[in-house]
Amino acid sequence: DAGVTQSPTHLIKTRGQQVTLRCSPKSGHDTVSWYQQALGQGPQFIFQYYEEEERQRGNFPDRFSGHQFPNYSSELNVNALLLGDSALYLCASSLMTGFRDEQFFGPGTRLTVL
Amino acid sequence: AQKVTQAQTEISVVEKEDVTLDCVYETRDTTYYLFWYKQPPSGELVFLIRRNSFDEQNEISGRYSWNFQKSTSSFNFTITASQVVDSAVYFCALRNTGNQFYFGTGTSLTVIP
Repeated sequence: DAGVTQSPTHLIKTRGQQVTLRCSPKSGHDTVSWYQQALGQGPQFIFQYYEEEERQRGNFPDRFSGHQFPNYSSELNVNALLLGDSALYLCASSLMTGFRDEQFFGPGTRLTVL
Repeated sequence: AQKVTQAQTEISVVEKEDVTLDCVYETRDTTYYLFWYKQPPSGELVFLIRRNSFDEQNEISGRYSWNFQKSTSSFNFTITASQVVDSAVYFCALRNTGNQFYFGTGTSLTVIP
């Protein structure tokens, strides 16, 4: 049973460009959450997707958007990249009804903006 | 509002010493979960423990133990007889009923051989 997978592993972009990160949840999970972890910081919640809709959102600008597909996989899009967007982006999957269940994190995508 | 505070930014200990990582949290929710994760240099968050807000029983797992005290809103983590492989960044986190995590800023632990 595959856990949470993310692609790509690493990515280098330049300021102003757009980027798309991908996440496949653990089998059986229907909810995907995205986190940004800047160097030396804890992960910060970006948003959460369930039933192909954004359900919760953290304090991130509209440049950060997402999508969830019918197979529960998800994409994180960041437009007009800034140097400050350089970070490790983590995806986590869970069951919406499974508050008592474990939430699994993927290995992350390390984004560098030059 | 939810908040998790890890006041210790960096800790260094000599191998075989015991070390305690502190975690203090804030929440108005009555139902929540507290977690500890280990993050090695590879970046993946490794789950260590989960406690729910109604279970204050302390837990021991091998060299790891956790002390949960609601009265002080603390969830401290102790590693006994530390080893070099314990070197990593450790995060304390709170999860609310919406499955949203709030992480502390992490404590970087270095175990010196």
